[in-house]
Amino acid sequence: EAGVTQFPSHSVIEKGQTVTLRCDPISGHDNLYWYRRVMGKEIKFLLHFVKESKQDESGMPNNRFLAERTGGTYSTLKVQPAELEDSGVYFCASSQRGALNSPLHFGNGTRLTVT
Amino acid sequence: AQSVTQLDSQVPVFEEAPVELRCNYSSSVSVYLFWYVQYPNQGLQLLLKYLSGSTLVESINGFEAEFNKSQTSFHLRKPSVHISDTAEYFCAVLLTGGFKTIFGAGTRLFVKA
Repeated sequence: EAGVTQFPSHSVIEKGQTVTLRCDPISGHDNLYWYRRVMGKEIKFLLHFVKESKQDESGMPNNRFLAERTGGTYSTLKVQPAELEDSGVYFCASSQRGALNSPLHFGNGTRLTVT
Repeated sequence: AQSVTQLDSQVPVFEEAPVELRCNYSSSVSVYLFWYVQYPNQGLQLLLKYLSGSTLVESINGFEAEFNKSQTSFHLRKPSVHISDTAEYFCAVLLTGGFKTIFGAGTRLFVKA
């Protein structure tokens, strides 16, 4: 089975610009998560989708971040306008319904650099 | 609120030596515990997990971790490491009945020849 794929793998943008990150979860995985890791610190939860519905977006830093999962398949995370502190690695993960017996499957991440 | 503390940011060790990567967590409710591994240029992969039952859990590549409720720890150990174990290791907790996995800051394991 194909794994979780993220695009792009790297993105370098200037402060004030907009960037959209994409995540394609494993087919059939209802749960989709976005995480972010800044400068070697802990991997922080951003939000959780079940199919197309946002279940928990408590980790979203502010309203410059917008996540969508139209149709319950792939997801996008848009940062607009980007700020310097948004730099980091953005991970997407998916799991089957019933998180207990289904581990998180991670993509390789998108490394975002805001200059 | 739950939190995970990985006490060592980097652990250098020689090949075939034993290693222990430390993890402590804080939670007022029951949690499940995990170790994930990230090899260079890859995403995180589940290494092992503790859900219930035996407090000692093992992975297929020789790692083991022991859940210690009284010390709120879940340290990862391997009796003899290989060069290929060089990676970053993340300890994580998940609230029972929850969906949000909380990660530690990671420990970089460097295995030297």
